[in-house]
Amino acid sequence: DIQMTQSPSSLSASVGDRVTITCRASQSISSYLNWYQQKPGKAPKLLIYAASSLQSGVPSRFSGSGSGTDFTLTISSLQPEDFATYYCQQSYSTLLTFGQGTRLEIK
Amino acid sequence: QVQLVQSGSELKKPGASVKVSCKASGYTFTSYAMNWVRQAPGQGLEWMGWINTNTGNPTYAQGFTGRFVFSLDTSVSTAYLQISSLKAEDTAVYYCARVYKDIVATINGNYYYYYMDVWGKGTTVTVSS
Repeated sequence: DIQMTQSPSSLSASVGDRVTITCRASQSISSYLNWYQQKPGKAPKLLIYAASSLQSGVPSRFSGSGSGTDFTLTISSLQPEDFATYYCQQSYSTLLTFGQGTRLEIK
Repeated sequence: QVQLVQSGSELKKPGASVKVSCKASGYTFTSYAMNWVRQAPGQGLEWMGWINTNTGNPTYAQGFTGRFVFSLDTSVSTAYLQISSLKAEDTAVYYCARVYKDIVATINGNYYYYYMDVWGKGTTVTVSS
């Protein structure tokens, strides 16, 4: 299986900060990488697909980049509603895998 | 609107079975595959597998073979997850999620991107004696 490793595991930031979360695949996955946001007690929500395509309705402060093995999710200016856990997920293989998650907390 | 409605919370004893339902509405059920995802308390997301809603053919992730069964009733646009011989470690929230297939055509051919664009709210299964 393809292993997905996110860093950091947790992150403290302030409203207005620019934040970057990294996801690394154990082998090249081209741009078959998706990002999800999950708030406590809620289902995950798709943010970014195909590494850099913004899902409809998602604010433009979210962006994704990368290809091959290294990917990033960037939030350009943190808003109060962005404090959540973020997961990357590969779809290169028919056996999908998620990263372990990055918890974004208020500083 | 497009939505997935999951069945309610379940409390089961070890060794029992449970069947979780996921009813789709607002789209053609057989046009999109369905994923199942588990989240144990305080843990991350774990992909369990998916089912082809056209053929009914399931694919299971490692660790979800044997006691876990995906099934369908296309007449009511519903996917099911059945877990048998329940153990305490099966205590988790179980999500169904629609698989969207995006096709990007290039001069080099078509590229298929898959992602989970619609999620159910989750079903909590608690296994306790």
